[in-house]
Amino acid sequence: DAKTTQPTSMDCAEGRAANLPCNHSTISGNEYVYWYRQIHSQGPQYIIHGLKNNETNEMASLIITEDRKSSTLILPHATLRDTAVYYCIVRGPYNNNDMRFGAGTRLTVKP
Amino acid sequence: KAGVTQTPRYLIKTRGQQVTLSCSPISGHRSVSWYQQTPGQGLQFLFEYFSETQRNKGNFPGRFSGRQFSNSRSEMNVSTLELGDSALYLCASSLVRRRTGRVGFNEQFFGPGTRLTVL
Repeated sequence: DAKTTQPTSMDCAEGRAANLPCNHSTISGNEYVYWYRQIHSQGPQYIIHGLKNNETNEMASLIITEDRKSSTLILPHATLRDTAVYYCIVRGPYNNNDMRFGAGTRLTVKP
Repeated sequence: KAGVTQTPRYLIKTRGQQVTLSCSPISGHRSVSWYQQTPGQGLQFLFEYFSETQRNKGNFPGRFSGRQFSNSRSEMNVSTLELGDSALYLCASSLVRRRTGRVGFNEQFFGPGTRLTVL
């Protein structure tokens, strides 16, 4: 997805917070920031999304800058099972079956 | 509540054969979408079924077909397999909003996929 830029890979120690950045400088006013992840050979899993306010759920927190040009996904206590490719996606709120993701960030949680 | 289930999980076929993949959506979900995922092309939409009717279709040849049953379970079929059909085939189920008929982008729940290898 050309609308977002993410680092190719990141490492995180087990039990520590994983902070995954995403740049989306061309985001438009009605577009949301979504985060999905994909564990090897499984289907994508929705994590969290937001419009302009910070969001938190049982999986993660999403911090969106005031200008909405970037965001950070935070996994507060990473576990080995959080090792996956994380995708940041910018788009409208409704599904149109276009699930094109960018390259994402490959997060490796190490013991 | 059980998640989306797909069978089989792994499949090996040879060129020219045909294959049928099965998907059982989350209970109560009536929309089922199918996607093909390959390293080169990423996640590509095949088709969506809702209430036993194909509601949307992606840009795939007619060798790829699907159907949905009255219990919302869905199957997809690929005939005359080609080497390039080797991929992870993912099924996603959704709860369609009654008033609008739409699904939120975050409201698709994916199954574990079927890994198809064509030799």
